[in-house]
Order: sequence, then C-alpha cells, then structure tokens
Amino acid sequence: QVQLVQSGAEVKKPGSSVKVSCKASGGTFSRSTFSWVRQTPGQGLEWMGGIVPALRAANSAPKFQGRVTITADISTSTAYMDLSSLRYEDTAIYYCAKDMEGADDSFDVWGQGTMVTVSS
Amino acid sequence: EMVVTQSPATLSVSPGERATLSCRASQSVSSNLAWYQQKPGQAPRLLIYGASTRATGIPARFSGSGSGTEFTLTISSLQSEDFAVYYCQQYNKWPYTFGQGTKLEIK
Repeated sequence: QVQLVQSGAEVKKPGSSVKVSCKASGGTFSRSTFSWVRQTPGQGLEWMGGIVPALRAANSAPKFQGRVTITADISTSTAYMDLSSLRYEDTAIYYCAKDMEGADDSFDVWGQGTMVTVSS
Repeated sequence: EMVVTQSPATLSVSPGERATLSCRASQSVSSNLAWYQQKPGQAPRLLIYGASTRATGIPARFSGSGSGTEFTLTISSLQSEDFAVYYCQQYNKWPYTFGQGTKLEIK
C-alpha cells in the first residue's frame, strides 16, 4: 500500500519561501506523477502543479508560475514543493497526491496535508 | 484554463434517500473526470475515476456517469458517513482543475 508522508506545519513571514516535502513508501516512485494541491481556509481545492520524476518534467498552473518550483529526488522517493514570495493569502493546507502509476491520472493516494501559515 | 462547475453548492438529503450531484466542464474532458469525497480535517479521498469507475474499496452505492462536459455522481442510498463535501476534477489537460464542491448535508 502506497503512503505519502508530508513534512510538518510551517509558519512563514510574508515575502519568504517555504519548502514542503512528500515522501513516498511503496509503489514505484519514478513511474508516478506527483501533484501538489492546496486548500485555503474554508475554500475548495486548487491544483498547483505536478512532476513526473522519471522524466524530471514538471508543470505548474499559470497562477503559480514564477513562484512555485516542484522537484523530486528519486533516490529518496521524495517530492518537493517550493513556494516563494509568500503572501498572506498563501495560508493554506498543502497536499501532495499521486496518480495510479500510468493506469489513470486521477489522485488515488494523498498525503496528510501540511499547514502553512503566512503571518508577520 | 478549463473551468469546472458543480451544482448545487449545498444539497440536503435524508439518510436512505438518493443524492445526485452534477459537474460541468467548460470544454470536453472526454472521460478524464474524477470525484473525491472530503470530510472535515481529512485529505480528499478518490471515489470515482474515468468518470464511472469506482476506486478500490468504494461501496457500490456510489456511481458516476457522463462524458464530454456533463457528469453526475449518484449515491443511491445515503448512509450517515456519506455526509461530506464532494469535488469533481478534470485531469484531461494541465492545469488540472477542481469544481468548487458540493456540500452534502443531512436533511
């Protein structure tokens, strides 16, 4: 059974950066696509971007381009999401999620979420 | 960017009754449409993928239908644990997009 374990909660100041990790256990890391999805307080889900570790190919939603960097380390089965120039409105829960390793691109496994608070 | 719209925003249904949730995409997504359930304090859980295939371990009372731009999630006989927020998501094309959610509440 594949599990995704994310790093712990963060408190950051406006203008700074945050890096959230997502370690996978089980499955074949390099064959999956890992996405990052955020949920602002009381709001819905927002896809930020994703990466295919085997191809070292990442993409991000237009809203986050220039601020988000998504990477992966195959040797440690860990995906990362780095968000820069943080604003108060970036306060949210950040989830990583993976697809079905080529069988389908929906997200069948999710991390537990990482709360990021932007506060002065 | 593709827009995904869910309706209604809130649906009040009694336990044991049927619930029907709708999802519309601004352009065709073929069958690349998923449904997720989210309960307070939890990560979303995949219910349906490929518009109509139940994910592993999902009860048969959950069913999905549709293709192209119009999709439906039906819960045939609501159980207490089904009251939650439901999201649809298109994954036909990056950037993937979610609907704004339908809150299913007890009537």
